[in-house]
Amino acid sequence: SYELTQPPSVSVSPGHTARITCSGDALPKRYVFWYQQRSGQAPMLVIYEDKKRPSGIPERFSGSSSGTMATLTVSGAQVEDEADYYCFSTDIDGDYRLFGGGTKLTVL
Amino acid sequence: EVELVESGGALVQPGGSLRLSCAASGFTFSDHAMHWVRQAPGRGLQYISGISSRAAGTYYAESVRGRFTISRDNSENTLYLQMDSLRIEDTGVYYCAREVGAKNIFDVWGHGTSVTVSS
Repeated sequence: SYELTQPPSVSVSPGHTARITCSGDALPKRYVFWYQQRSGQAPMLVIYEDKKRPSGIPERFSGSSSGTMATLTVSGAQVEDEADYYCFSTDIDGDYRLFGGGTKLTVL
Repeated sequence: EVELVESGGALVQPGGSLRLSCAASGFTFSDHAMHWVRQAPGRGLQYISGISSRAAGTYYAESVRGRFTISRDNSENTLYLQMDSLRIEDTGVYYCAREVGAKNIFDVWGHGTSVTVSS
């Protein structure tokens, strides 16, 4: 079955840049969405359609996608950005929806 | 204010049934497809089911197909998830989410309701 692969953890010092990757064979043809989930909270959309940012999401969050890999970049990471981040996409046919395994971003 | 509020989570024995509800407010419910996503304790998000805006189409992940049924009542602004033949691995927090524009954009989420399957 189709999978989206993320690194389990990423660490960054405050003010520095964190990059979280998501790889999947269908990504050249399918959009990626990124969700932030702080501890004990519901997920929140931070990037949609590879690189678009919903209103209210800080500009330090950006997304990109090239080939079979998508990247969420947090430029100038803040302590409040510490959370789990999940990519989301579909298989090549668009029928099978799935999340990546999630990446724990630590800011310290 | 746009809001989704889940309810119906409980402790249930393996093989039992449960119906979850998701009450929507602050937007035109019938304009949006809706979805259920769950999270097992200490684990990641798992997409499990979705339904189109007028209930013409439904989708289920392989792990719940044949056991769970998604439905909606647009007159009551409520989404449902009927869960039958529950297994221990169905334990987790269940979130409902609103989709925008039929584009897989889940822009509003509820706070979740907890389901525990245990004997």
